Amino acid sequence: GAGVSQSPSNKVTEKGKDVELRCDPISGHTALYWYRQRLGQGLEFLIYFQGNSAPDKSGLPSDRFSAERTGESVSTLTIQRTQQEDSAVYLCASSPRQGARTEAFFGQGTRLTVV
Amino acid sequence: AQSVTQPDIHITVSEGASLELRCNYSYGATPYLFWYVQSPGQGLQLLLKYFSGDTLVQGIKGFEAEFKRSQSSFNLRKPSVHWSDAAEYFCAVGGRPGGTSYGKLTFGQGTILTVHP
Repeated sequence: GAGVSQSPSNKVTEKGKDVELRCDPISGHTALYWYRQRLGQGLEFLIYFQGNSAPDKSGLPSDRFSAERTGESVSTLTIQRTQQEDSAVYLCASSPRQGARTEAFFGQGTRLTVV
Repeated sequence: AQSVTQPDIHITVSEGASLELRCNYSYGATPYLFWYVQSPGQGLQLLLKYFSGDTLVQGIKGFEAEFKRSQSSFNLRKPSVHWSDAAEYFCAVGGRPGGTSYGKLTFGQGTILTVHP
């Protein structure tokens, strides 16, 4: 596709349920990022994938959060046993490897509401 | 570890007035530097970027930013603000090749810009 695609755009889930968020990066982009944006706050780094290197998971807030990416394609962010504080917009971005530039292109995000 | 500070959470200006949004970073060398804008209901859009060379960079929508190594700053400016510029602005730092944070993008907390008619 032309841009980064995220699905679903909105998700309402009950506390304690697991959720999966999906990100389709721009074709050919080797780097993929997940960020969390709570209401009225900035972008909180979660995880970063770069090609076949080990992902940088330093931003994942707890072991309830995990993410996978197969090669340079789709990524899924999984939140287990969701809590109300997980409510946020989850943003995915991808970036090309052109002379190691790190300009990122963002998706529209998934708005997660935990009730 | 790299970090970004945007000291101003909220700025209000009148339409037609000049604007400067502050950004300070912490990084072991000269990082890649970016400004993004997030309009209500919209995704993040890149305004401009600095990789190397001329320290004054021009972006879209009439914005510019100046990299000042001595101050570890990358402030965003616009000579005359339009009502459509009302949005949230994020400064970001990217790690250069060879560093431990290579490829990682770290964002500031954002500055909300309100424009009065």
